[in-house]
Amino acid sequence: DAGITQSPRHKVTETGTPVTLRCHQTENHRYMYWYRQDPGHGLRLIHYSYGVKDTDKGEVSDGYSVSRSKTEDFLLTLESATSSQTSVYFCATHRGSHEETNYGYTFGSGTRLTVV
Amino acid sequence: GQNIDQPTEMTATEGAIVQINCTYQTSGFNGLFWYQQHAGEAPTFLSYNVLDGLEEKGRFSSFLSRSKGYSYLLLKELQMKDSASYLCAAPTGGFKTIFGAGTRLFVKA
Repeated sequence: DAGITQSPRHKVTETGTPVTLRCHQTENHRYMYWYRQDPGHGLRLIHYSYGVKDTDKGEVSDGYSVSRSKTEDFLLTLESATSSQTSVYFCATHRGSHEETNYGYTFGSGTRLTVV
Repeated sequence: GQNIDQPTEMTATEGAIVQINCTYQTSGFNGLFWYQQHAGEAPTFLSYNVLDGLEEKGRFSSFLSRSKGYSYLLLKELQMKDSASYLCAAPTGGFKTIFGAGTRLFVKA
């Protein structure tokens, strides 16, 4: 059973529509992250969560919101999609233990979003 | 500011050795990671260095110099399946991490 599942895997949407991406984990990890990956920029942090209902902004948070009502689920919402939000979105998790810092992140398979 | 630099692309021959460099600037130091990412897939953890020196793990080794803000990933006995992007990443505190743009490695026969 996969530790992190992202849905949908692919989505095409129209400019101005709201879009929600879902990340579901079975690792019981405390920390969850949403990154976007674009050519030439690498992975950039959008938002992250350090517990249920505890979230904070990353470096590219404008136009995005998140929610975490359960440990397992972290939702990313594009409130009104724009073409600049066409990207590959990755969810990642970390246990949040200093003793396990050296294990790094576990990533989901990604969601390829196209805004037309 | 915080920044990670690594070459955009490299090409090497099957069976050879290749070194991928990374320089970083972070406020504070919490270690350095290398991830591998095949095209269309998620990044996967390769190595973590927190002390200066070389960490060897099979065909892959990673080196760190904290005083120079420098790391490299060394891949030996290259195989075609090693064609991928290699991401250098640095934790910035609070379990957040910044990533370099990645080095795309092409292994040719």
